[in-house]
Amino acid sequence: DAGITQSPRHKVTETGTPVTLRCHQTENHRYMYWYRQDPGHGLRLIHYSYGVKDTDKGEVSDGYSVSRSKTEDFLLTLESATSSQTSVYFCASYSGTRESDTQYFGPGTRLTVL
Amino acid sequence: AQSVTQPDIHITVSEGASLELRCNYSYGATPYLFWYVQSPGQGLQLLLKYFSGDTLVQGIKGFEAEFKRSQSSFNLRKPSVHWSDAAEYFCAVGGFGTASKLTFGTGTRLQVTL
Repeated sequence: DAGITQSPRHKVTETGTPVTLRCHQTENHRYMYWYRQDPGHGLRLIHYSYGVKDTDKGEVSDGYSVSRSKTEDFLLTLESATSSQTSVYFCASYSGTRESDTQYFGPGTRLTVL
Repeated sequence: AQSVTQPDIHITVSEGASLELRCNYSYGATPYLFWYVQSPGQGLQLLLKYFSGDTLVQGIKGFEAEFKRSQSSFNLRKPSVHWSDAAEYFCAVGGFGTASKLTFGTGTRLQVTL
């Protein structure tokens, strides 16, 4: 499996505060993704990146922004956290170079917005 | 738009019994199909994937899945379930290229009784 880490692993914050989650991968993968996981919804794509400084929206991007200044790091920012953003957030990466490859997931970050 | 349906939210089987988890997909081109497993509090682990070729694919932990294009299905099977298989299982569909964005089903939670 790809070496993907997420930080922090757990965070509790208050409504209205900014929050940044970090994803770090050591595989030199071109593509990186942020998903959120909620009961009854499975995983839903928030944003993804197809290279340094190249990002695009997923299906649930409202209230989130991302940045990728280095290949290995992909940051997810909640500008002003709301209770509806309480969720488990997963990062993934993908090489994009081999047809037989797939996305590899990090361990997740549990975010609670009070 | 691509979509995945996992009609069973929760399944309970006895240890040693056979298992089949259902997955139906909608995708406009040749689909790439995946099954992931998630143990409580953990990230997602790839069980198996289908890209092309033989429609019966083998995965880790004794799992297999069969791709049936005519039925738009990719059901996961195991001949004899072990208590350690209790987890949540996610089916996903995507395609090669275009950042390989995956669409996940809502998941099936498997409970194994002894």
